[in-house]
Amino acid sequence: GQQLNQSPQSMFIQEGEDVSMNCTSSSIFNTWLWYKQEPGEGPVLLIALYKAGELTSNGRLTAQFGITRKDSFLNISASIPSDVGIYFCAGQLASGTYKYIFGTGTRLKVLA
Amino acid sequence: SQTIHQWPATLVQPVGSPLSLECTVEGTSNPNLYWYRQAAGRGLQLLFYSVGIGQISSEVPQNLSASRPQDRQFILSSKKLLLSDSGFYLCAWSVGASGAGETQYFGPGTRLLVL
Repeated sequence: GQQLNQSPQSMFIQEGEDVSMNCTSSSIFNTWLWYKQEPGEGPVLLIALYKAGELTSNGRLTAQFGITRKDSFLNISASIPSDVGIYFCAGQLASGTYKYIFGTGTRLKVLA
Repeated sequence: SQTIHQWPATLVQPVGSPLSLECTVEGTSNPNLYWYRQAAGRGLQLLFYSVGIGQISSEVPQNLSASRPQDRQFILSSKKLLLSDSGFYLCAWSVGASGAGETQYFGPGTRLLVL
């Protein structure tokens, strides 16, 4: 099925560093969601974005809805070991479908 | 507050056996419900979604089926499992009438191993 282009695929960073990941598509979306998934668990919603240009924070996490509505990024500031996991973006197409398209995931590892 | 339940948490089944995974949502009405499958280390593949009782949209042709017998209950079934059906099955819900601007929440998942 369709998937969003999410990058990077994986990241190894030192504790305290900032992290940035993004999702891009050729399609226009009306909603962007960012999730974190830990092994053996369901994805947990981190941030939801509903308007083009919207910038939303959740603690050390910040995400933005791209102005073209075709992309979104997620930043994590001052990473800590518990940030380890796989981060997924998901977009809901502007065509009014109930479906979400998911990115391929960014696997984050934090070195203490 | 809303809660989503899935069971069983883990399931080991022989090839050719039937399957029934259940998902229920509490604390909301008329949710949109979704079944996804996730292969190890991979992204999420949408299998089915439902916007109302008895309404099922299938995304991927395969030997799985879904049913929604009640407003907040979503069931994933198979008559005969294949090895390729192994994976992590996730149920999710969202609320919205227009199909726009909705937030989707996931359950804890069921890990299925077909031997």
